[in-house]
Amino acid sequence: EPEVTQTPSHQVTQMGQEVILRCVPISNHLYFYWYRQILGQKVEFLVSFYNNEISEKSEIFDDQFSVERPDGSNFTLKIRSTKLEDSAMYFCASSEQQGGNTIYFGEGSWLTVV
Amino acid sequence: SQQGEEDPQALSIQEGENATMNCSYKTSINNLQWYRQNSGRGLVHLILIRSNEREKHSGRLRVTLDTSKKSSSLLITASRAADTASYFCATATGGGNKLTFGTGTQLKVEL
Repeated sequence: EPEVTQTPSHQVTQMGQEVILRCVPISNHLYFYWYRQILGQKVEFLVSFYNNEISEKSEIFDDQFSVERPDGSNFTLKIRSTKLEDSAMYFCASSEQQGGNTIYFGEGSWLTVV
Repeated sequence: SQQGEEDPQALSIQEGENATMNCSYKTSINNLQWYRQNSGRGLVHLILIRSNEREKHSGRLRVTLDTSKKSSSLLITASRAADTASYFCATATGGGNKLTFGTGTQLKVEL
């Protein structure tokens, strides 16, 4: 069964450093997403991406964050100047279409900022 | 309260018993999806139910949706120890695919 793959599975970074989390969405999917889950809290929407541009973003997704689809397969989340409170599990997800389609999630990337 | 709240927060049952988890939400939805998450792992999609559907089945899973009460339930029949996980409902509103997740129910199935 096709799946969303994410790398790295776990990254530890120093406060203030930049981090890039990578994702390979399911190949025929057109919509891509990032969510995050701080330990013990709800899964929160960060951003959705379609046709090489952001289609929706949350309040969390400020100038510290950016997303990119640098080639035909990868979808990345860049976090600049990481803060302790950025420590969380970051999930990439994808779906075929918008509005009513199943959203498939990857295994997540644990980010620990020290 | 928030969009997507599950109850109970935690549920402990014996293997073979049925487990029922409930989800309530506040605004009109396009669809509602249930996910499972094993500790520290990814979100596994279980079932999507659209706003014009009332019930869906998948194997041992049965999901109901009552839009008049803005609630959904997930029933796992004949539970197994491997069903031990957290279960989340997530609602999609409007024309987009942004999901709003609930707080989750931690299910423990004991042998």
